[in-house]
Amino acid sequence: EPEVTQTPSHQVTQMGQEVILRCVPISNHLYFYWYRQILGQKVEFLVSFYNNEISEKSEIFDDQFSVERPDGSNFTLKIRSTKLEDSAMYFCASSYTPGLDTQYFGPGTRLTVL
Amino acid sequence: ELKVEQNPLFLSMQEGKNYTIYCNYSTTSDRLYWYRQDPGKSLESLFVLLSNGAVKQEGRLMASLDTKARLSTLHITAAVHDLSATYFCAVNSGGSNYKLTFGKGTLLTVNP
Repeated sequence: EPEVTQTPSHQVTQMGQEVILRCVPISNHLYFYWYRQILGQKVEFLVSFYNNEISEKSEIFDDQFSVERPDGSNFTLKIRSTKLEDSAMYFCASSYTPGLDTQYFGPGTRLTVL
Repeated sequence: ELKVEQNPLFLSMQEGKNYTIYCNYSTTSDRLYWYRQDPGKSLESLFVLLSNGAVKQEGRLMASLDTKARLSTLHITAAVHDLSATYFCAVNSGGSNYKLTFGKGTLLTVNP
C-alpha cells in the first residue's frame, strides 16, 4: 500500500541553525501538508501546498518557515533559524482530493532544538 | 475560528465494555475525520465522514456524524487491549480551506 515517507526520523540541532525536513508524498496525490505536534499536545496545521504554491498557512508558519517541492517527488519544510519552541514532531501529509478523502500522514520527524 | 473539542480526554475502560468518545466543533462543516495514534507513531486514518447522518463501522469502532448538532461520536464496542491508543477527531471547514483542525485527542486505555 502506498505511504508517505519522511526523513530523517529524528533531527537534533542547535538553536539558530537551519533544518530541512523531507517528505515523499504518495505518488498520485496533489495536495501536500505539514503539521506539527508538540509533545503531549494536539496536532497543529502549518501549511498546505498545491500546484507548486502555498494554498493556506497558519499563524505558526511565519517567515522562518518555507516549503518547496524541488522535484516531482519530494516536499520539504525548511526552518531557517530554529528556536527552542520549534521542538516538536513534524508530520507531512498528502491527499488526492482535499476534503473528500483522508489526509495520509507520514511517520513524522522528531525535531529537537538544543 | 474553528474549535474542535473532544471528551473525555482520558478514558480508562475494562475489556469487554462499551464507551463513546464525543467530538464537538464550532462552525458548520460536513467533513470530519477520525485518526488513531499509537505512542510515538504517526496518525492512522480510521474514518472519513462527509455528510449529515453518515455512519461508518470498522470492527469494534463505529463513527457517526450529526452536522446539525456539530457532533461526531466514536463508539467502542466490547473493547479489547489492542484498542489502547489516542484517538483524534479532525474537522475540515470546507470551501477552499483544506487544513484539518484537530481536537486534543482522547487517550484510551483498555485494561484486562
